[in-house]
Amino acid sequence: KNQVEQSPQSLIILEGKNCTLQCNYTVSPFSNLRWYKQDTGRGPVSLTIMTFSENTKSNGRYTATLDADTKQSSLHITASQLSDSASYICVVRRGGYNKLIFGAGTRLAVHP
Amino acid sequence: DTGVSQDPRHKITKRGQNVTFRCDPISEHNRLYWYRQTLGQGPEFLTYFQNEAQLEKSRLLSDRFSAERPKGSFSTLEIQRTEQGDSAMYLCASSESLPAGDHNEQFFGPGTRLTVL
Repeated sequence: KNQVEQSPQSLIILEGKNCTLQCNYTVSPFSNLRWYKQDTGRGPVSLTIMTFSENTKSNGRYTATLDADTKQSSLHITASQLSDSASYICVVRRGGYNKLIFGAGTRLAVHP
Repeated sequence: DTGVSQDPRHKITKRGQNVTFRCDPISEHNRLYWYRQTLGQGPEFLTYFQNEAQLEKSRLLSDRFSAERPKGSFSTLEIQRTEQGDSAMYLCASSESLPAGDHNEQFFGPGTRLTVL
């Protein structure tokens, strides 16, 4: 079954600290993996996208990794800011399909 | 603003009423998607269009739901005889039509939050 699972479900960190969010997937065949940031009451916004051959991709303070062998990805946020408080959703696209398969997201709260 | 727009942003209705939402995609995008998102969950695919053709519908899209994209530009999603279980955020996204396997990124609108009382 094609699924995307994320952990933790929620996370609270202090401003300035780093954190890592995890994503495991069983989607096959694999096309690409995206991390989205979704602020409360808003639509998701893409942070990074990685294909099979890419191991790491950065977007400012966000760094995503992909291990296609173990079907795992992580999103590392450095020097967190209050504005990082949001849900982070891991999304996998199956090869040859237009549908995206979404994880349930990790809800991150950054406290001052 | 040239992003995806949705209207209304919020809708409160009584059970049994019909509601209609509108999505305006990015103008050069010929693919348009509808998703439903409940609290604490990721978006779930409902349906998608390529130009005016509705190419795929999820089993989540019961016969009370209908989507149209009559001229291949904006789209509407109608829910008839709403139920409390329909309460959710309804998201629209659009993308270009690239060959399968390309990034083909979907850009999301802000969503319409539906509350059925």
